[in-house]
Amino acid sequence: DTGVSQDPRHKITKRGQNVTFRCDPISEHNRLYWYRQTLGQGPEFLTYFQNEAQLEKSRLLSDRFSAERPKGSFSTLEIQRTEQGDSAMYLCASSFRRQGARANEKLFFGSGTQLSVL
Amino acid sequence: EDQVTQSPEALRLQEGESSSLNCSYTVSGLRGLFWYRQDPGKGPEFLFTLYSAGEEKEKERLKATLTKKESFLHITAPKPEDSATYLCAVGAAGNKLTFGGGTRVLVKP
Repeated sequence: DTGVSQDPRHKITKRGQNVTFRCDPISEHNRLYWYRQTLGQGPEFLTYFQNEAQLEKSRLLSDRFSAERPKGSFSTLEIQRTEQGDSAMYLCASSFRRQGARANEKLFFGSGTQLSVL
Repeated sequence: EDQVTQSPEALRLQEGESSSLNCSYTVSGLRGLFWYRQDPGKGPEFLFTLYSAGEEKEKERLKATLTKKESFLHITAPKPEDSATYLCAVGAAGNKLTFGGGTRVLVKP
């Protein structure tokens, strides 16, 4: 178990630029989540995948945000035309969901990508 | 809409001084109450899941309890290495967690 990996750890960009983050989940996990966390706040849900299918997106996820999980493995989160309000820690998490399970399973988080938009 | 409120926002303790953190929640159809620990610059680390009122779980100096409206995280005889932000989250239908704002705990030697 190598844990959830996120790359890069830090990203500084200028307003209006596009950025892309990568997440490699724990290998046997079928679910992958993206959260955003600002200083002093708890993480906020953005979107999640079951294998390669994106099943839910938060209202927080504007049209400038897009996420993919090709082949149900790693995932990328792209932000187009970044704004200063996008500055935050972007967290990826993964989990294994058993078929037919009713209760929510625990999530394993990566260390995040800290985005600063100047 | 699911809501989670944690109190206090910050807690300063002397080493060995036990205390409790509170997590109040409103959710339609609780499917798990989760506690996570987060160190600066890192992602949350899972501690406990509680599924029904009356349930309790323990790990070293930490004990989590659950009622129909609240959860408590008790820290017994804390050590400096217990300093962290403790996050509470509820899981409901929709497969996402709703987090509270966290409690920042500082344990001084």
